[in-house]
Amino acid sequence: DTGVSQNPRHKITKRGQNVTFRCDPISEHNRLYWYRQTLGQGPEFLTYFQNEAQLEKSRLLSDRFSAERPKGSFSTLEIQRTEQGDSAMYLCASSFGFFGEGGKPQHFGDGTRLSIL
Amino acid sequence: TQLLEQSPQFLSIQEGENLTVYCNSSSVFSSLQWYRQEPGEGPVLLVTVVTGGEVKKLKRLTFQFGDARKDSSLHITAAQPGDTGLYLCAGTSSNDYKLSFGAGTTVTVRA
Repeated sequence: DTGVSQNPRHKITKRGQNVTFRCDPISEHNRLYWYRQTLGQGPEFLTYFQNEAQLEKSRLLSDRFSAERPKGSFSTLEIQRTEQGDSAMYLCASSFGFFGEGGKPQHFGDGTRLSIL
Repeated sequence: TQLLEQSPQFLSIQEGENLTVYCNSSSVFSSLQWYRQEPGEGPVLLVTVVTGGEVKKLKRLTFQFGDARKDSSLHITAAQPGDTGLYLCAGTSSNDYKLSFGAGTTVTVRA
């Protein structure tokens, strides 16, 4: 069991640049989630995939954010024209569940910490 | 907006003492999960509770889900320095997939 893997672990970039993060879920998991966590807060939901289909997006996910999960395996989260407020820990989680099944345990990666200069 | 409120926000105790962390909501959850997170790392799943009134034990940790499935508690007996961390509760509503997290309780166990 290799767990959820996220790369890079840290990203420092200048305001206005584009960044892309990658998440490799646990191999048998068909669901993949992205969350964002700022200092002193719990993670907040961004988006969710069931296999390759993106089924829900939070209002936190502005049009500068895009997420993909081609072939239902790994996922990427891209932020265009980064802003100071994008500085946060971006967490990926995965789980297994059939369509319509809620409440399945989610397993998290160690996140990508984004710092905007 | 966080639907789950955790208390206390911070807790500092001496090794060997007991502690309880609370997680409360006005909403009913179909399941509730507890996680522990260390600085610079992702949350690690401790337990999932799904039935009202359910009690689960994990070594020195005892988790309880309220009868109405609106609240939960985590009790640690004889705390050790290794229990230090941020404890997060997170719930899902019926037929929902995403987790709604509380803001967390930072626990420090002094040797």
